[in-house]
Amino acid sequence: EADIYQTPRYLVIGTGKKITLECSQTMGHDKMYWYQQDPGMELHLIHYSYGVNSTEKGDLSSESTVSRIRTEHFPLTLESARPSHTSQYLCASSSQGQGYGYTFGSGTRLTVV
Amino acid sequence: GNSVTQMEGPVTLSEEAFLTINCTYTATGYPSLFWYVQYPGEGLQLLLKATKADDKGSNKGFEATYRKETTSFHLEKGSVQVSDSAVYFCALSESGSEKLVFGKGTKLTVNP
Repeated sequence: EADIYQTPRYLVIGTGKKITLECSQTMGHDKMYWYQQDPGMELHLIHYSYGVNSTEKGDLSSESTVSRIRTEHFPLTLESARPSHTSQYLCASSSQGQGYGYTFGSGTRLTVV
Repeated sequence: GNSVTQMEGPVTLSEEAFLTINCTYTATGYPSLFWYVQYPGEGLQLLLKATKADDKGSNKGFEATYRKETTSFHLEKGSVQVSDSAVYFCALSESGSEKLVFGKGTKLTVNP
C-alpha cells in the first residue's frame, strides 16, 4: 500500500492555466523530492526539501515552484502551464540514513494542450 | 561527481530467459546501491538494495551483488516472466547522504 500519495493521477489542462500537483506522505519523512520524467524515461530532479520551510531547486531548471509548510505536504505549482510542461511528475520522500532509499508516489501525468 | 551508468535498452526477452542488466557507478567513499522498478503507469518501487561491498540484494527472484572492485551492481534474474516487463533503474546514495543518483533506466519487455 502507498504511504505517499499524489493527486491527480492524470490531468489535461489548457495553456495558461495555473495548476497545483499534490503530494502527501504519512511516514513522517523529513526529506521530499519532485522529479520530472521525460518520455525517454530519464528522471530529472526539479525540487527538493529537507524539512519544513526548506526548499531547493534541483538539477533541472523548472518553471514550477514548491512549498513545504507542513512535513507531510509538498505541493508543486505551475503558475501558467505550457505544452512544454507536458510530462510525468513523480514525488518521493526519504528518512534519515544513507541506506534507505526513496519511497515514490504513483505519479501525475500532466498534459497541457 | 557521482554517477550511475546502466546498459541502454530496450531489452526484449522471451519468457523464462535469463536476464542481466548491467550497472556501473562512480562514487567517492562507500555508497549504497539500489535497483528500482517502474511498471507501466506507476511510480518507482524499490526492488532491492545493498549497503556495503559484497552484499547481495535479492527480491522477487532478482539479485544484484555490490562489487566494489569492479564498481558494479548488475541486476540478474534466472527466469523472467511477462509480468517483469517494466523499466529498471539503478541508483546510488552518496556516502553520508540520502540523496539518490539515478541511471537513465532500462526498459525490459518479456514476450510470452
